[in-house]
Order: sequence, then C-alpha cells, then structure tokens
Amino acid sequence: QKEVEQNSGPLSVPEGAIASLNCTYSDRGSQSFFWYRQYSGKSPELIMSIYSNGDKEDGRFTAQLNKASQYVSLLIRDSQPSDSATYLCAVSLGGTGGFKTIFGAGTRLFVKA
Amino acid sequence: DVKVTQSSRYLVKRTGEKVFLECVQDMDHENMFWYRQDPGLGLRLIYFSYDVKMKEKGDIPEGYSVSREKKERFSLILESASTNQTSMYLCASSSSGTFTDTQYFGPGTRLTVL
Repeated sequence: QKEVEQNSGPLSVPEGAIASLNCTYSDRGSQSFFWYRQYSGKSPELIMSIYSNGDKEDGRFTAQLNKASQYVSLLIRDSQPSDSATYLCAVSLGGTGGFKTIFGAGTRLFVKA
Repeated sequence: DVKVTQSSRYLVKRTGEKVFLECVQDMDHENMFWYRQDPGLGLRLIYFSYDVKMKEKGDIPEGYSVSREKKERFSLILESASTNQTSMYLCASSSSGTFTDTQYFGPGTRLTVL
C-alpha cells in the first residue's frame, strides 16, 4: 500500500512565527508533490507544487523536497491567523501509478493571534 | 478560473436508496476524480476517468459506480446506499494526461445515510 504520512496535529504557532509542516511518502518512484490547504467545511485548494529536490518559494510559503529521504515539507513564514487550516500533503505516482494522487490525512495548523 | 461544481452541498438518504452525485467542470479537463474524505483517513480515491466513457477503479470502489457520458460531467452512483457511505464526497478535475497537473476540487457533497 502506497502511503503518505503526516502528523495530524494540531500544530499551534503564534502569529508571526514560522510554521513547519512535514510529510513522508513510501513510494520511491513518486514524481510530483503538492501541498493543499483546506479550511474547515471547504474543499482543498493547491498552494504549492514541487517536482525536484531542493526548495521552492512562493511568497510566505516554501516547499522543500528530499527524494533520498522521501520527505517533503512546507514552511509558512510570518504565520497569520488566516493560515489556520488543515494542510494536505499529496504525492503523484509516476510510471504505472498513472494519474493517481495519494493524499495524506492532513495536519491541522492553528495560528494564535 | 477553473470551476468544478457539485450538484448538492448536503444530502440525506435512506439505507438502500440509489444515490446520484453529479460533478461538472467548465475547463475542458480530461481527467476527473471522485474522492471521499473521512476524519483521520484523508482523501481516498473511489474512481477516476481520463476520457469520456473511460473509468478506472481507485482504492475504494466497492459499493460505487461512475458514469462519464460527456467530457464535462462525471457522476458517482451509490447503487444501494449504506450507513458506512456517510461521508464528504469531493470531485476533482485536472487538465492533461500527466500526473504533474494540479487537481481542482469542487465544493463537496456531505452525504448522510440514515
């Protein structure tokens, strides 16, 4: 069974701090990695995608990928109360995995004002 | 903007009823997906489709079927609803035949089976 593991949280950080969200995956053949944000009662929306080792920055968000360690993370700088949500890590399988994307169960983030 | 719409936000059905969940996307996407989301289990893929009239089983297809007669519409069918199918159902679409593309989600349908 191909898996994506996340700490369920809740992760609580004060406003202005850096929030660090982590994800590990089991399939070494995974090709594409995504972070989705899901507000309570809403559907997931993509905030970051990353395809190669290293860091990718977009505004206050930085995604980090280490394929050797099968590890992907999301850093949120200057966290705001509006960042409070569940963050889903998602991994797409290459090759025989075709179009399937495996989602983690999500990490709940709470940013305290 | 990509728009994915689902026919109902909330639905209450009785055990044994046949249930239809409809999903429509307006961006000419090839791929469409049905997931269910349960607390602690994340999103689990039920079925997906990469072309009209094509369908593939996901991880939990039992008790479900799908229909894709037109490119923009992907329907999920619960042949005989059971209480363990009470869940949030999310439809998604993506634009091409590769695994690198973002999935865009509809607002979800919260189904309760009594």
